[in-house]
Amino acid sequence: AQKVTQAQTEISVVEKEDVTLDCVYETRDTTYYLFWYKQPPSGELVFLIRRNSFDEQNEISGRYSWNFQKSTSSFNFTITASQVVDSAVYFCALSEAYNTDKLIFGTGTRLQVFP
Amino acid sequence: DSGVTQTPKHLITATGQRVTLRCSPRSGDLSVYWYQQSLDQGLQFLIQYYNGEERAKGNILERFSAQQFPDLHSELNLSSLELGDSALYFCASSVSGRVTSSYNEQFFGPGTRLTVL
Repeated sequence: AQKVTQAQTEISVVEKEDVTLDCVYETRDTTYYLFWYKQPPSGELVFLIRRNSFDEQNEISGRYSWNFQKSTSSFNFTITASQVVDSAVYFCALSEAYNTDKLIFGTGTRLQVFP
Repeated sequence: DSGVTQTPKHLITATGQRVTLRCSPRSGDLSVYWYQQSLDQGLQFLIQYYNGEERAKGNILERFSAQQFPDLHSELNLSSLELGDSALYFCASSVSGRVTSSYNEQFFGPGTRLTVL
């Protein structure tokens, strides 16, 4: 069965601190996709990144970076120099490779960045 | 703006009632997905339609049903509502129903917040 675990329910940091959000996944598929979404207080889901299972290269986008390690089934997300606007709930998600693009979400991590 | 529209934005109703949530996918997208975000269950996949036909089913209750019409818009019908059905319901669309191993991006609508009193 497929499963995504985000063990951190809530994280609080002070602005400019670095913060890492953990994501561990389970799947029997050899080909799959991993995602991070942001849900700000306004409620919409904002797509951040998609990663294929056969591409383990880490990715950096501005203050955001992602570390994908198949050996530990983890896809962690780091925000460098956090800002108040980063306050949101962040979801990690998994999609299987065939038949459907449905997303399996983790329970989310609420990040609060204080000024 | 993702191009996916959902109506209504908010819905307040009473237990035992029936409601219909509507979703219009992005132009050209054939697949529609419904997700429920509740305090108890988190964010979970309910059902997917592709070009009018059911493609995948998740943890959707028997009291819930969905359909996709010839113009590709979709409706999620929730009946015999209970307090626990209060949630944010998201619709997403993608261009196809995954006939190859390449992923098709899902675009999420703004959601419909349902409150059952």
